[in-house]
Amino acid sequence: AQRVTQPEKLLSVFKGAPVELKCNYSYSGSPELFWYVQYSRQRLQLLLRHISRESIKGFTADLNKGETSFHLKKPFAQEEDSAMYYCALLIQGAQKLVFGQGTRLTINP
Amino acid sequence: SAVISQKPSRDICQRGTSLTIQCQVDSQVTMMFWYRQQPGQSLTLIATANQGSEATYESGFVIDKFPISRPNLTFSTLTVSNMSPEDSSIYLCSVFRTNYGYTFGSGTRLTVV
Repeated sequence: AQRVTQPEKLLSVFKGAPVELKCNYSYSGSPELFWYVQYSRQRLQLLLRHISRESIKGFTADLNKGETSFHLKKPFAQEEDSAMYYCALLIQGAQKLVFGQGTRLTINP
Repeated sequence: SAVISQKPSRDICQRGTSLTIQCQVDSQVTMMFWYRQQPGQSLTLIATANQGSEATYESGFVIDKFPISRPNLTFSTLTVSNMSPEDSSIYLCSVFRTNYGYTFGSGTRLTVV
């Protein structure tokens, strides 16, 4: 079955602390994974995709096929990181995304 | 990335009525998608809308309830038919372009009373 699991619905950390948002997936094919972010009153937007291996706004995510994970990390959280974060898996062929339940990240001052 | 205009941004509708949501893209795209986000839930794909063919619906979604039109490569509509309060959700359109990935509209917040 194709599934994306984000075990934490809510995550709260203090400014300057490290952040890790967890994402696990289940997929029989070669996975292509994304992190999307939705800031308050804004549309859903792409944060990063694993194939580009880039860092956006200080966030990184490494695909670990052994653990079927794609956790999102940032070493020092900032207040503007407060948002809803969704992990998504691309279903090859159909070219459609399967989303996790989302994690609401709150950065406390 | 593609610019997507979605309207209406929100609406309050009476049960039993229908609402048509429009999605306009600023460039031609092959694949357009319609998602639903129920309160407190994640995004669930309703259907894939391809120009020149019937939409492909996901399990649990049917054409009679969610008819979709895709008259050209820059436009699509989703109709929510015979609405009930359970249809209260945010509906989003999305497009896929090879070098840009997926882009989402701002969503339509529907409340059925």
